[in-house]
Amino acid sequence: EVQLVESGGGLVQPGGSLRLSCEGSGFTFSVHYIDWVRQAPGKGLEWVGRSRNKAESYTTEYAASVKGRFTLSRDESKNSLYLQMNSLKTEDAAVYYCARLDYSKMDVWGKGTTVTVSS
Amino acid sequence: EIVMTQTPLPLSVTPGQPASISCKSSQSLLQSDGKTYLFWFLQKPGQSPQLLIYEVSNRFSGVPDRFSGSGSGTDFTLEISRVEAEDVGVYYCMQSGQLPITFGQGTRLEIK
Repeated sequence: EVQLVESGGGLVQPGGSLRLSCEGSGFTFSVHYIDWVRQAPGKGLEWVGRSRNKAESYTTEYAASVKGRFTLSRDESKNSLYLQMNSLKTEDAAVYYCARLDYSKMDVWGKGTTVTVSS
Repeated sequence: EIVMTQTPLPLSVTPGQPASISCKSSQSLLQSDGKTYLFWFLQKPGQSPQLLIYEVSNRFSGVPDRFSGSGSGTDFTLEISRVEAEDVGVYYCMQSGQLPITFGQGTRLEIK
C-alpha cells in the first residue's frame, strides 16, 4: 500500500524548534517530489515547502512565511523527508501534512501531525 | 503570488440536486507547456485532503463520475451532478503552476 506517515509533532514554546518526519512506503520515495502543506486550527490549507526528487538533487522551495526558519532534508536510507522548524511562532501552529506528487498531482497525503506553539 | 478565490464559501444542497463551486485565479493559470495546473480537493470531516480533479478536468482514480471540472485561464468550476451524503466536507481549489502553490479559501458543503 502506498502511504505517507508524518510524525514528530508536539507542543513547543515560541522561539523553539521541532523536526517533523514524513516516511513513505509502498513506492520509490526518491523518484517523487514531496510537499508539506499545513492547516491552522479551523483554517484552510497553506503550502509550506517542497523537496524535489533525486534526479533534481532534492532541491527545495519554501513559502515566504517560513523561508529562513524551516529546512527540508531527506534520508534515502529511511525513505524519509524531514522538516526542521526553527524560531517557531504561534502562527506556525497547525496540522502538518506531507503529500506526494505524481507528476503534477498531489495524489497521496499523510494523516498529518499536529504542532502546537504556546508558552 | 497567485490568489485563488472560491465562491460560494458555504453551500447547502439537497441530496440528489446538483452543486457548483467557482474558483477564480488572480492571473491566468495556463503555463508555457500548454497545461493548466488547477486542482480540486475534498477534505472530509476529520480527514486529510483527497484529490478529486487534476489539471482542470481530469478525474482522479476512484473519483465518482458525478464530479466534473471545467474552465480555463482564470475561471474554473467544480460540479457535482447529484450530491450524495458522502460528499460533505470542504472543497479546495489549488494552483501549482507557479510557486508558491496557493489554495482557495475552501467551500464547505453541507447536506440539507
